Amino acid sequence: AQKITQTQPGMFVQEKEAVTLDCTYDTSDPSYGLFWYKQPSSGEMIFLIYQGSYDQQNATEGRYSLNFQKARKSANLVISASQLGDSAMYFCAMKDGANNLFFGTGTRLTVIP
Amino acid sequence: GAGVSQTPSNKVTEKGKYVELRCDPISGHTALYWYRQSLGQGPEFLIYFQGTGAADDSGLPNDRFFAVRPEGSVSTLKIQRTERGDSAVYLCASSPGGVFMNTEAFFGQGTRLTVV
Repeated sequence: AQKITQTQPGMFVQEKEAVTLDCTYDTSDPSYGLFWYKQPSSGEMIFLIYQGSYDQQNATEGRYSLNFQKARKSANLVISASQLGDSAMYFCAMKDGANNLFFGTGTRLTVIP
Repeated sequence: GAGVSQTPSNKVTEKGKYVELRCDPISGHTALYWYRQSLGQGPEFLIYFQGTGAADDSGLPNDRFFAVRPEGSVSTLKIQRTERGDSAVYLCASSPGGVFMNTEAFFGQGTRLTVV
């Protein structure tokens, strides 16, 4: 069964605008972690932000914030004030109770000048 | 080194040959992951080590694929009788593991495998 679902293959956003990238997950573990990674065309995987299942507040890291809705099992990434350098593939990932790490299929974000 | 190192960075092999891909994780990281990534796709889970043992190898596609981590640090992914469909970028990642759920996995640069 798919553990991480990203339903947006591609997204476009105007420079300086905000964009939300969707992610839903499936687990029966009470303890888990959610991550977002960025993969530019160079291929490296860059960690952006983390949300723990027991965290009460939504995670924020600079222009990145995570809209965590536990009951809906969603962990959407919000990028504010988009920049041209934000154009990349974005992957949502989940660590389950066994510390295994699973990725979604990704969303390709294109920032338009 | 400071980061996860994967060698070789590129590998071209003929169909039917055997290949080994190596991953040097960050020192002290007990968790090690292997993924396969095709162009435009997400990392596909292959196998996860916790220490020397494979905690989850359910992602290995068939018995041509095998991975080891004999001393709990360096890992080798082995592919026998390679097929053209095995062509992809193979990513390795490491993490402190254990109960450190909130630590991200650190990735290597990957090995691009091309089977001709």
